[in-house]
Amino acid sequence: DAKTTQPPSMDCAEGRAANLPCNHSTISGNEYVYWYRQIHSQGPQYIIHGLKNNETNEMASLIITEDRKSSTLILPHATLRDTAVYYCIAPGYNNNDMRFGAGTRLTVKP
Amino acid sequence: DSGVTQTPKHLITATGQRVTLRCSPRSGDLSVYWYQQSLDQGLQFLIQYYNGEERAKGNILERFSAQQFPDLHSELNLSSLELGDSALYFCASSVHGAGNTEAFFGQGTRLTVV
Repeated sequence: DAKTTQPPSMDCAEGRAANLPCNHSTISGNEYVYWYRQIHSQGPQYIIHGLKNNETNEMASLIITEDRKSSTLILPHATLRDTAVYYCIAPGYNNNDMRFGAGTRLTVKP
Repeated sequence: DSGVTQTPKHLITATGQRVTLRCSPRSGDLSVYWYQQSLDQGLQFLIQYYNGEERAKGNILERFSAQQFPDLHSELNLSSLELGDSALYFCASSVHGAGNTEAFFGQGTRLTVV
């Protein structure tokens, strides 16, 4: 079974923040949480990853709860081009578990 | 451009045939991952290689095999092809197998079995 669970779909208004949740209550203390997205049938694209601290880059912010049981990916100002399937994964310390679940299909609406 | 190159981009073949998909990882990346994505389905992890050795195996059929060569490129061999093998096949690479490295994906090979 996948170590992460995500809602199957979400909508967001263009220009608003998109907050995508992920539950990973069984991951161990040294496992990073990664986010990727896949636009249509393109190759998945890395977004961000983190261990315990919040992280921010030019694409998004990642908020990880203190108990590390869940995290939220934040796209601060969603655009139509952010419509995609977003995947949260925890590949393990040695990246030996690169399984992807079904992800969340985010639809950004005008 | 992720730096991961997959060839060919498209492949059409008949049932029962055998094909080879090729993946060139980013320069310096030691890990290679293969995925299958059927129409409107999720990414199914097939197999991972690290520096030439198999590191992890997922839902890979016995008709499928893979290897990573000394120059770190990888090939996925699909044999006795069936209609249900029609899918996008993605390759990804990462610097090493440790937990703090992201993976970069190629643009995929679209396989159509007729």
